[in-house]
Amino acid sequence: DIQMTQSPASLSASLEEIVTITCQASQDIGNYLSWYQQKPGKSPQLLIHSATSLADGVPSRFSGSRSGTQYSLKINRLQVEDTGIYYCLQHYSAPFTFGSGTKLEIK
Amino acid sequence: EVQLVESGGGLVQPGRSLKLSCAASGFTYSNYVMAWVRQAPTKGLEWVASISTGGGNTYYRDSVKGRFTISRDNAKNTLYLQIDSLRSEDTATYYCAKVKGPNWDYYFDYWGQGVMVTVSS
Repeated sequence: DIQMTQSPASLSASLEEIVTITCQASQDIGNYLSWYQQKPGKSPQLLIHSATSLADGVPSRFSGSRSGTQYSLKINRLQVEDTGIYYCLQHYSAPFTFGSGTKLEIK
Repeated sequence: EVQLVESGGGLVQPGRSLKLSCAASGFTYSNYVMAWVRQAPTKGLEWVASISTGGGNTYYRDSVKGRFTISRDNAKNTLYLQIDSLRSEDTATYYCAKVKGPNWDYYFDYWGQGVMVTVSS
């Protein structure tokens, strides 16, 4: 099974700050990597697909990047509504695996 | 507008069975792979199973093989998850998810609101 190691587990940042969340895949997964945001009591919402493509309707302050088997989600100019838990997902091969999540809070 | 509405959850005793449903609308249901993802209380997301567009091919995570059955009715635009021999570790919110394309290796682009399954005596 492909392991997705996500860091940090939690993050506290100020408004307008830049934050970065990373996922390390245990093997090559190409660009079969997506990012999701889950707000308290809600279902996950797609942010980024294919490692770097912004999903429809997602603010441009969100971006994704890839370096080998390391994937990053960057949030520029942090806003209050960005509070939540962020997950990466590898959909290269089954069993499809999520990262353990990053809880983001605003100071 | 894509909508996925799960139902069928509840409180169930260990060893019993339950069948979850997910009613889909707003897209051509038969053209897309579908999946179930679950989330135990205060835990992360866990993929459970996926099913091909026609329903003839399925994938499961190892821990549910033999107890869970994913199926679909394309005439009714509905996805199902039959859960047998329920265990306490199956307690979770179960989400129905639409896969972006007709193949297994696409991302999940829409999710339902989730349905809670609690396994307890």
